[in-house]
Amino acid sequence: EVQLVESGGGLVQPGGSLRLSCAASGFTFSEYFMDWVRQAPGKGLDWVGRSRNKGNSYSTQYAASVKGRFTISRADSGNSLYLEMNSLKSEDTAVYYCARVTATYAYDYWGQGTLVTVSS
Amino acid sequence: DIQMTQSPSSVSASVGDRVTITCRASQGISGELAWYQQKPGKAPKLLISDASSLQSGVPSRFSGSGSGTDFTLTISSLQPEDFATYYCQQAHSLPRTFGQGTKVEIK
Repeated sequence: EVQLVESGGGLVQPGGSLRLSCAASGFTFSEYFMDWVRQAPGKGLDWVGRSRNKGNSYSTQYAASVKGRFTISRADSGNSLYLEMNSLKSEDTAVYYCARVTATYAYDYWGQGTLVTVSS
Repeated sequence: DIQMTQSPSSVSASVGDRVTITCRASQGISGELAWYQQKPGKAPKLLISDASSLQSGVPSRFSGSGSGTDFTLTISSLQPEDFATYYCQQAHSLPRTFGQGTKVEIK
């Protein structure tokens, strides 16, 4: 059974940092692209960024709103995806999901999400 | 960036009704569109990919159509478990973008 489990969310002050993790199981993690998607309270879905697989040089890509502040990495040996978030702003407050990317670039599996609250 | 516009933003319907949600892309995306269902407090669930391919396990009352810039999600006979928010997402290019959502409510 495919499972994605996020962790690491919490309350952080503006300007602070936080590292989210996504533990994957039930599939060959190293073969897949993985994305982070967030959802502010009561709002819609917002793409954060992408981690490509080894065959694509582990390249990453980011939304303009987080570029230069957020960093996505992965550890295929541990079946884990990470999101390092720096210089956090109140507008980064959201539930953060990791999601598996299909061959048709949809998201077929999502984690349960982890809430990040940026507030003083 | 490709803008995705859904309509309506909400719809009130009864069990058994036919419900249609539309999604328009700001530029052509071929058939590279997905639809998701989200219930409160839960992660989105993939219903349809490639505009019309039903995911395994999704009831056949859900169907998708369209290509280019205009797409539709149809629920042929609304069931109690279908009351949720629905999102379209373009899978054509990065950054990935989603419609603003359509909330299907009980009439």
